[in-house]
Amino acid sequence: IVMTQSPATLSVSPGERATLSCRASQSISSDLAWYQQKPGQAPRLLIYGASTRATDIPARFSGSGSGTEFTLTISSLQSEDFAVYYCQQYNKWPRTFGQGTKVEIK
Amino acid sequence: EVQLLESGGGLLQPGGSLRLSCAASGFTFSNYAMSWVRQAPGKGPEWVSAITASGTNTNHADSVRGRFTISRDNSRNTVYLQMNSLKAEDTAVYYCAKGVATTTSYIDWWGQGTLVTVSS
Repeated sequence: IVMTQSPATLSVSPGERATLSCRASQSISSDLAWYQQKPGQAPRLLIYGASTRATDIPARFSGSGSGTEFTLTISSLQSEDFAVYYCQQYNKWPRTFGQGTKVEIK
Repeated sequence: EVQLLESGGGLLQPGGSLRLSCAASGFTFSNYAMSWVRQAPGKGPEWVSAITASGTNTNHADSVRGRFTISRDNSRNTVYLQMNSLKAEDTAVYYCAKGVATTTSYIDWWGQGTLVTVSS
């Protein structure tokens, strides 16, 4: 299953909303996770089951979608949110990641 | 707290072999699937291999099948990745990753990674 993320780069001002998209090449139900990765660090789980926040993830992060279309929304960007975000499907093997969306400061 | 400590990375020539290890602590290791995920410089993650909690079932990406083998020792809380016939395109940071159940789905904890460089 090919995961396609858009846009590749998103320029956003602090305090603004960011909307990231992820599309699956076939239906994956709600078997989708989102991760955040900062430079030099391992990815961190944000969302699983398409919309459930992982432990200790702030409420400004929300996920939605099912089937083939998914969205990660960051309601009010904080300085620590500027990073690369990846989606990953776990409906079928091999588990696959998108190519990432970089959220940068505008 | 969960800790995953990878070791075994390094620089080696094409065709060589390497074994990565990941020592786990802070959770009941034998209850969770484990995986290896790699990330080439400037690229997104790629799931390499996964093993169920009991070690009965494994999965490997097409790109490494027949060359890499994942295994685990639940008595030592350690997961391994044996890598043979290494190619330049295997160059990446290799992360040890913990699943959330006995079988592989998504990852809730990642190690800090170990760098494998394949170059002549």
